[in-house]
Amino acid sequence: NAGVMQNPRHLVRRRGQEARLRCSPMKGHSHVYWYRQLPEEGLKFMVYLQKENIIDESGMPKERFSAEFPKEGPSILRIQQVVRGDSAAYFCASSLGQGENTEAFFGQGTRLTVV
Amino acid sequence: AQSVTQLGSHVSVSEGALVLLRCNYSSSVPPYLFWYVQYPNQGLQLLLKYTSAATLVKGINGFEAEFKKSETSFHLTKPSAHMSDAAEYFCAVSDKGYSTLTFGKGTMLLVSP
Repeated sequence: NAGVMQNPRHLVRRRGQEARLRCSPMKGHSHVYWYRQLPEEGLKFMVYLQKENIIDESGMPKERFSAEFPKEGPSILRIQQVVRGDSAAYFCASSLGQGENTEAFFGQGTRLTVV
Repeated sequence: AQSVTQLGSHVSVSEGALVLLRCNYSSSVPPYLFWYVQYPNQGLQLLLKYTSAATLVKGINGFEAEFKKSETSFHLTKPSAHMSDAAEYFCAVSDKGYSTLTFGKGTMLLVSP
C-alpha cells in the first residue's frame, strides 16, 4: 500500500508563473490536508478537503492560492503568479476520516523554489 | 487560538544520554497533542499522540511524552539516544482531531557518538 504521493518533489518556477502541486492520498483515504513549511518555521495548515469539497480553508492566502480534490484524481494545490515568498516546502497529508482514532499520514513534500 | 512553543531550536546529546525535547501549548479547549519526527527531505512521521486517555503516552522508537495540564506541557523523552534519532521533531496541537494541526517551529536533535 503506497503512502501519500506528492509530485513533483522539487519544482522551480520563475516569478509570475503558475505552480501546480499534486497529492495522491493513501488508498481509501478521502480526507486531504495541505501544509506549508517556510524556512526555519514549523508547518502551517493551509486547507482541508474531502472529495469535491473544501472543508476548511482558513489557512489559505486569500489571493493566488487555490486547492481542489476532484472525484477522480489527485488533490491539486495551485499557486498563480508565484512570488519569491512562495518558496517553501508544501506537504500533503491524508486520513481515513476525522477524530482521535484516525491518523494523518504525510507525503514527502514538494519543495518549491521561485527564482 | 491555539499555539505551540518548542524551547530550543537545537538540542545536542551524546549517544546513550537522555533525550528531552520541550513543548508547551495553549488551547481554549482540551487539546489533542502530537509529536512528529522529520528526517531530511522526508515527510513527517507520527511518533505519538495524546487524546485525553492516559497522560503518559508511549510511542514508537522508545519515545514517550507526558501530558501535564497544570503546566500546559507535553515534553518528549527517550531514556537513551541512538544515532538514528537525529532528526527534527515537531510538537503539534489540535482541537479538531487531526484536521487542523498547529505545529511548533521544531527542534533539531543532534546525537554525537
